[in-house]
Amino acid sequence: QLQLQESGPGLVKPSETLSLTCTVSGGSIISTNHYWGWVRQPPGKGLESIGSVYYSGSTYYNPSLKSRVTMSVDTSKNQFSLKLTSVTAADTAVYYCARHGTPWVTTGFDCWGQGTLVTVSS
Amino acid sequence: EIVMTQSPATLSLSPGERATLSCRASQSVSSSLAWYQQKVGQAPRLLIYDASTRATGIPARFSGSGSGTEFTLTISSLQSEDFALYYCQQYHNWPPFTFGGGTKVEIK
Repeated sequence: QLQLQESGPGLVKPSETLSLTCTVSGGSIISTNHYWGWVRQPPGKGLESIGSVYYSGSTYYNPSLKSRVTMSVDTSKNQFSLKLTSVTAADTAVYYCARHGTPWVTTGFDCWGQGTLVTVSS
Repeated sequence: EIVMTQSPATLSLSPGERATLSCRASQSVSSSLAWYQQKVGQAPRLLIYDASTRATGIPARFSGSGSGTEFTLTISSLQSEDFALYYCQQYHNWPPFTFGGGTKVEIK
């Protein structure tokens, strides 16, 4: 079955760039029916959508993070990635990658990675 | 941005009881509403989408209802594994997807 797995540094210094990769297994990232997204959850808090990327490279970003976020896809590796620049302690969170439907058929996030904790600290 | 508000923040119930969780949207989201369950240390799991459709493998004791701005998740008879956090999420108008603040269902 489809599985998603996040990877990347667990510790990032303030003002630097957070970089994470999500590897998709058990299925292809080239899907006309799905987008691939990132959601984060600060410790003890709720969920925040960061943005999503289509296999073609088309992206949607949360306006509150748009100036700092870049997402990309590598279909040859069945991976998609997140970069968040100029991080602060407020960006400390568990970062999840997840799959959802397209703007014309959206059904919520139906498959999630296990999440990876990223701490911003010097 | 559509703001999602969940109530109550905490629900204290006994196994076998019925749980009723509420979610309100700041403007109409039609039926573009999902519910998730999250256990400690785990990723959220999709329970319900399109306000009332159970996701694959979700037991029938979970049901969703509502449309527009008012939604309800009902767990007909709580099992031990149902004590967890529950989030609603709208996907009617995105980006961004927005989530409610969550309801914790705890053992009384």
